[in-house]
Amino acid sequence: AQSVTQPDIHITVSEGASLELRCNYSYGATPYLFWYVQSPGQGLQLLLKYFSGDTLVQGIKGFEAEFKRSQSSFNLRKPSVHWSDATEYFCAVGSSGTYKYIFGTGTRLKVLA
Amino acid sequence: DAGVIQSPRHEVTEMGQEVTLRCKPISGHDYLFWYRQTMMRGLELLIYFNNNVPIDDSGMPEDRFSAKMPNASFSTLKIQPSEPRDSAVYFCASRRDSNQPQHFGDGTRLSIL
Repeated sequence: AQSVTQPDIHITVSEGASLELRCNYSYGATPYLFWYVQSPGQGLQLLLKYFSGDTLVQGIKGFEAEFKRSQSSFNLRKPSVHWSDATEYFCAVGSSGTYKYIFGTGTRLKVLA
Repeated sequence: DAGVIQSPRHEVTEMGQEVTLRCKPISGHDYLFWYRQTMMRGLELLIYFNNNVPIDDSGMPEDRFSAKMPNASFSTLKIQPSEPRDSAVYFCASRRDSNQPQHFGDGTRLSIL
């Protein structure tokens, strides 16, 4: 069955520390992978996407993610977290010709001053 | 470039009333999606349209829910009659084609008393 797992419901890091949010997927076809961020009271905003090519993808706000096919993972990283990054992050998977995305359950990030 | 526009942003109504949520997708986007987000169930796809035609409504929870897309720039999601368990945030998203990411509106926060 197709699925996306975000193992960490909550993550707490100190401001300035590095961040890694985990995303694992189970998908029969070659996946398209996405990370979205959701600020309170707002919709989901695309951080970055992977369709093909370079497995290290750069996104907005200093985020990056790496597609590792052997591990079925697409983890989101940021070298130095800012207090404004505290919000919820969603991983999603789709594929060419598939119109549905499967979303993970989200990881809520807390940033300590 | 205007994003996906949803209205109203907030809706509070009594059980049994009809509720209509509205969405204007991004111009030129051929796909439109309705999602529901709750704490318990996360982000659920309710229905999606391609070129104004409903393609998959398997996520619509009950016959009380219906969605229409009379033209390329407007869609509605209707709940009649509404029940307290329908309380959630409802998102609309649009996409240009299958090889592009989805863009989300800011959602409608629905409370059924």
